[in-house]
This record gives sequence, C-alpha cells and structure tokens, in this order.
Amino acid sequence: AQTVTQSQPEMSVQEAETVTLSCTYDTSESNYYLFWYKQPPSRQMILVIRQEAYKQQNATENRFSVNFQKAAKSFSLKISDSQLGDTAMYFCAFMSGANSKLTFGKGITLSVRP
Amino acid sequence: DAGITQSPRYKITETGRQVTLMCHQTWSHSYMFWYRQDLGHGLRLIYYSAAADITDKGEVPDGYVVSRSKTENFPLTLESATRSQTSVYFCASSESTRGWTTEAFFGQGTRLTVV
Repeated sequence: AQTVTQSQPEMSVQEAETVTLSCTYDTSESNYYLFWYKQPPSRQMILVIRQEAYKQQNATENRFSVNFQKAAKSFSLKISDSQLGDTAMYFCAFMSGANSKLTFGKGITLSVRP
Repeated sequence: DAGITQSPRYKITETGRQVTLMCHQTWSHSYMFWYRQDLGHGLRLIYYSAAADITDKGEVPDGYVVSRSKTENFPLTLESATRSQTSVYFCASSESTRGWTTEAFFGQGTRLTVV
C-alpha cells in the first residue's frame, strides 16, 4: 500500500518570500502521479500542480514549482513570492497508475504573514 | 451545471440513524472516490469505484456502504451513524484512459454531525 508523509503540520512565511513544503511517499509502483492540492477556508479542494512519475522535468505553474526526486521518493512544493491568498492547508497526494487510487498526506497549514 | 456536486452540504443526524450522502458528476469519469477529512488525519479514503458496479474498500470502510448503479452517481450510506462518523466528507472523480490519468476533481464537501 502506498503511503504519503507530510511531516510538518504548520509553516509560516512572510509575504513575498519563498517557502518549501515537504512530502515523501512510499510505493513499489513505477507508474504514478503526484499532486499538490490547496484547501482554503472555503473547504474547496483546488489542484495546485501535478507531476507524472515518468517525467524527469519538474512541473511548474506560475509561482508554484516542485522538486521531484524519484529515487528518494520526495515531492516538495516551492511557492515563490508568497501572497496572502496562499494561506491555506496544502495536501500532497499520490495516485496509482495501476488503479487510480488516490492517497493523501495529512496536510500542512501554511500561513502567509503580511 | 458541469462538475461534481455533493448533497447535502450540511447534515445533522442522530446516533443510530441511516444517512445517505449523494455525489453526482457530469463528466462520465470512470473513477469516483469518497473521503473523510478529520483534523490530524488529512483525507482518508473510505471507498472508491473504478466503474459502474465496481467498488472497493479504502482505508476506513467500516460503517459505510456504497453503490454505483450509474456512472454519474456514487452515494455513500452510513448504515447506523455513530459520533465517530462526525466529519467532513468529500466526493471526487477522475478519468484514466490510454495511459493518461486526470487529477481528481472534488465536490464541495458535506459536513456531517452526528449527535
């Protein structure tokens, strides 16, 4: 069974600075997908970024980028130029390529300070 | 409206009652999921379904029943609600075809309180 670990329960960052959220996972599969989801106070789950395991290039989406280390089974999210609207809970998630089963980490609460 | 919708958004029920949470998606995605979100636990998978009439247990299935007679609907039933089932429940869907898998798309969540 796959596991996803987010070891930091909370982080805080000053507006306009950069912050990195950590995530590790464990799997024996070679084909899978990794995601970061954002959950603001509205409770809505919003996709931030996705990474296909077969791609060596790290995914980027505007201010958001990942550091995907497949051998180390690490998938961290970097948020550049942090904005107040980035305040939310962030979840790392693993999706099996075999059965699309989606497993989440426990999440990290990110606070952006003005 | 296109998307994935859950109903009700909020529900208060009494211990021992049967409760059904509804989930409907308009994309005809093959995969559908039910999660519960609790403080300190993140999102835990209750059940998932790969297609109509195909369901499988997730991490925390006890006390829950699902069915999927139609691709677009995936109701979750609490057979006899307990206080430990007080939680926020999320339904999600995704598609996988020809080696490509979409991300999971989520409903708005249902906050269930069992008193």
